[in-house]
Amino acid sequence: EAGVTQSPTHLIKTRGQQATLRCSPISGHTSVYWYQQALGLGLQFLLWYDEGEERNRGNFPPRFSGRQFPNYSSELNVNALELEDSALYLCASSYRGEVGNTIYFGEGSWLTVV
Amino acid sequence: AQSVAQPEDQVNVAEGNPLTVKCTYSVSGNPYLFWYVQYPNRGLQFLLKYITGDNLVKGSYGFEAEFNKSQTSFHLKKPSALVSDSALYFCAVSFGMEYGNKLVFGAGTILRVKS
Repeated sequence: EAGVTQSPTHLIKTRGQQATLRCSPISGHTSVYWYQQALGLGLQFLLWYDEGEERNRGNFPPRFSGRQFPNYSSELNVNALELEDSALYLCASSYRGEVGNTIYFGEGSWLTVV
Repeated sequence: AQSVAQPEDQVNVAEGNPLTVKCTYSVSGNPYLFWYVQYPNRGLQFLLKYITGDNLVKGSYGFEAEFNKSQTSFHLKKPSALVSDSALYFCAVSFGMEYGNKLVFGAGTILRVKS
């Protein structure tokens, strides 16, 4: 069974541009989560989508946005890129958004802003 | 406030010796506790979780963790460490749907196992 898949693996963008990251959850999972892992800042929660709706949002500016499609895949958009947006972006999924359900992570997308 | 702490930045252990990676949490309700491992330039791999029931939880690759409510701790343990266990370990806690079902992660602990 395929795990959480993310694309692209690496992305280099210029400051001010937009980046789009994509995620396919494990088959049967309806909840998708996005996390940012920046050097020195640890793992920070970005967004949670469940059944196509945004359910929760972390402490990030509005230029971080996303959506979940009817097939439960998701994309994360980062507008007006800043140098400090350089990080590993991890997508994760779980079977529904029920408390205690295991959240499984993908390998991540490395975003470098120059 | 909901939080989780990993008091050690790094743990060093000799191969074959038991290992412990510490985690404590601060909670205003019932916590759901998780351990993940991250190898260099990779995503996070799930090791184990505590939801309810037995305080000793067994997980992948021979790891186990003990939930201690009175000490608000969830330490990760393994009886005999392998060099291949060397990685970055994260403790995480979820406080339920009313908090958005998100995982709050500790800062991580680097485990180095020397042969």
